[in-house]
Amino acid sequence: DVKVTQSSRYLVKRTGEKVFLECVQDMDHENMFWYRQDPGLGLRLIYFSYDVKMKEKGDIPEGYSVSREKKERFSLILESASTNQTSMYLCASSSGDDRVILPDYEQYFGPGTRLTVT
Amino acid sequence: AQSVTQLDSHVSVSEGTPVLLRCNYSSSYSPSLFWYVQHPNKGLQLLLKYTSAATLVKGINGFEAEFKKSETSFHLTKPSAHMSDAAEYFCVVSGLSGNTPLVFGKGTRLSVIA
Repeated sequence: DVKVTQSSRYLVKRTGEKVFLECVQDMDHENMFWYRQDPGLGLRLIYFSYDVKMKEKGDIPEGYSVSREKKERFSLILESASTNQTSMYLCASSSGDDRVILPDYEQYFGPGTRLTVT
Repeated sequence: AQSVTQLDSHVSVSEGTPVLLRCNYSSSYSPSLFWYVQHPNKGLQLLLKYTSAATLVKGINGFEAEFKKSETSFHLTKPSAHMSDAAEYFCVVSGLSGNTPLVFGKGTRLSVIA
């Protein structure tokens, strides 16, 4: 059974803290994604990666960075958390083909991390 | 650029009645289209997808969607709603390869009344 796991379901951090959100997939997928989900705004892509050590900016990368040192793990980093980063964060993975994101391929999602920054 | 509009933010139906969740898309080429479902406190799950084969697409749990190019629509339907269908539904269009592989709609929350 395919599985994408995220390190925490709920997280509370203070403004200015450095925050790490971890995502692990066990499907040997090439592509991994980080989204944030806010009411009335749907999902917005923060960053994605199509290979180890590779990363691409999505629609809203400001205030975030990512790390992909191993194929199965994709980390989202908030260098200095702010209250406007309070949100639900979703990780996803999909198959790929030679560093090409193939939109037709299904994305598999983790359960999400609800981050609150106070 | 690709975009998708879900015409209703909230739909409420009675159990056993039909479900219609509306989606319109905009694309400069023939897109792939998807519906994802998110149950409370769960991640998103693929319901169905259209990738230029048959225009009527059947998905899981009795849902189906019809691709209508002339109307740029991809509405999701189900003949008879169950309580377990209560969830958030997202219409999604494939982006150009590049910085936005998938473009998500803002979501439609489906409530099912007993």
